[in-house]
Amino acid sequence: AQSVSQHNHHVILSEAASLELGCNYSYGGTVNLFWYVQYPGQHLQLLLKYFSGDPLVKGIKGFEAEFIKSKFSFNLRKPSVQWSDTAEYFCAAAGGTSYGKLTFGQGTILTVHP
Amino acid sequence: DTGVSQDPRHKITKRGQNVTFRCDPISEHNRLYWYRQTLGQGPEFLTYFQNEAQLEKSRLLSDRFSAERPKGSFSTLEIQRTEQGDSAMYLCASSGLTEAGNTIYFGEGSWLTVV
Repeated sequence: AQSVSQHNHHVILSEAASLELGCNYSYGGTVNLFWYVQYPGQHLQLLLKYFSGDPLVKGIKGFEAEFIKSKFSFNLRKPSVQWSDTAEYFCAAAGGTSYGKLTFGQGTILTVHP
Repeated sequence: DTGVSQDPRHKITKRGQNVTFRCDPISEHNRLYWYRQTLGQGPEFLTYFQNEAQLEKSRLLSDRFSAERPKGSFSTLEIQRTEQGDSAMYLCASSGLTEAGNTIYFGEGSWLTVV
């Protein structure tokens, strides 16, 4: 069965700390990977996506993620977080021909203290 | 705002009543999706349309749920004889068939509380 798991339910950091959120997936065949963010009271927004090519993907707001096929991982990173990064982060995956049918992880709540 | 819009944003209903949610996708987006999200969980896929055709339905979509997209534009999701377990956020999303990478854009969701 297709699945996505996120390692941490809640991460608490101080401003300027580095961030890494773990994501592992279980999918047969070609997989497309995404990170979405949901700021308080707002809709899900796409941070970045991986379809093919360079496994290091850069997204908006200084976020990046690395696709490591051998580890079935797609971890999200940011070298220096800001208070405004406080939000819930979701990793998601879709089969190669099913772009719209996303399987989401449980989400990770990130709290950044000023 | 030219994003995905959903209505109503919040709905409280008594168990056994029917509810209907509406979604207006980004104009000219061919694909429209419905997801459900409960507290502490990520969204779960329910169904999707390409134009007016409903191409896939999740097994989560019981017989009490029906979705339509009659003219290939807006969509409705109806829940009949609501149960407390239906309490959740219902998310609509859309994407363009030809857009590179086929990014999916989500609406703000419709909260359903069944009492």
